[in-house]
Amino acid sequence: QTVVTQEPSLTVSPGGTVTLTCASSTGAVTSGYYPNWFQQKPGQAPRALIYSTSNKHSWTPARFSGSLLGGKAALTLSGVQPEDEAEYYCLLYYGGVVVFGGGTKLTVL
Amino acid sequence: QVQLQESGPGLVKPSQTLSLTCTVSGGSISSGSYYWSWIRQPAGKGLEWIGRIYTSGSTNYNPSLKSRVTISVDTSKNQFSLKLSSVTAADTAVYYCARDSYYYDSSGYYLLGPAIDYWGQGTLVTVSS
Repeated sequence: QTVVTQEPSLTVSPGGTVTLTCASSTGAVTSGYYPNWFQQKPGQAPRALIYSTSNKHSWTPARFSGSLLGGKAALTLSGVQPEDEAEYYCLLYYGGVVVFGGGTKLTVL
Repeated sequence: QVQLQESGPGLVKPSQTLSLTCTVSGGSISSGSYYWSWIRQPAGKGLEWIGRIYTSGSTNYNPSLKSRVTISVDTSKNQFSLKLSSVTAADTAVYYCARDSYYYDSSGYYLLGPAIDYWGQGTLVTVSS
């Protein structure tokens, strides 16, 4: 059973920068896992932010960026806004099978 | 812009089969490089990928659910469906349908990668007698 691991929770101050990571139980995350990132606020469906490691959707705010960092996929938020408080999920593709990470609860305080 | 809408019973009895349909609007389900996916989320928990289908009928399933899941597509109705058999209380969740797109660069030849980009609003299914 493949497991994708994220930090359970992180806290950041408004205007600050924070990096969320996404690790695979199978080893280092590479671009071939096509990491995706999503934001979910309470009572809402998830919203796609990043695909294929670092590509942004047309609606993704510029302050969100994706990368590979130390064998993990990473989502960096720069100049955090209060409305960025949410749950963030990563997703990795293992061939035709998709696995979500457990999510990171981001608090803006 | 593409929109997805889940529909189906909100209450299913244990041991029965959960059936949901996703209606796609704003575009043809059979055009483009798209898979059509089902994802669920128990209350207060994370997202779990259930599986996906290509319009050719090719499917991929979560190995932990594979024995109980069937995903099908009806291109004439612009819909795809989920069936989950032998349900228990552990299958109680919000069920989402979503589009899984394959993005290419501006030349149209280089694959950038897949992305689950559009989601339905989700529908709560409770398993209880």
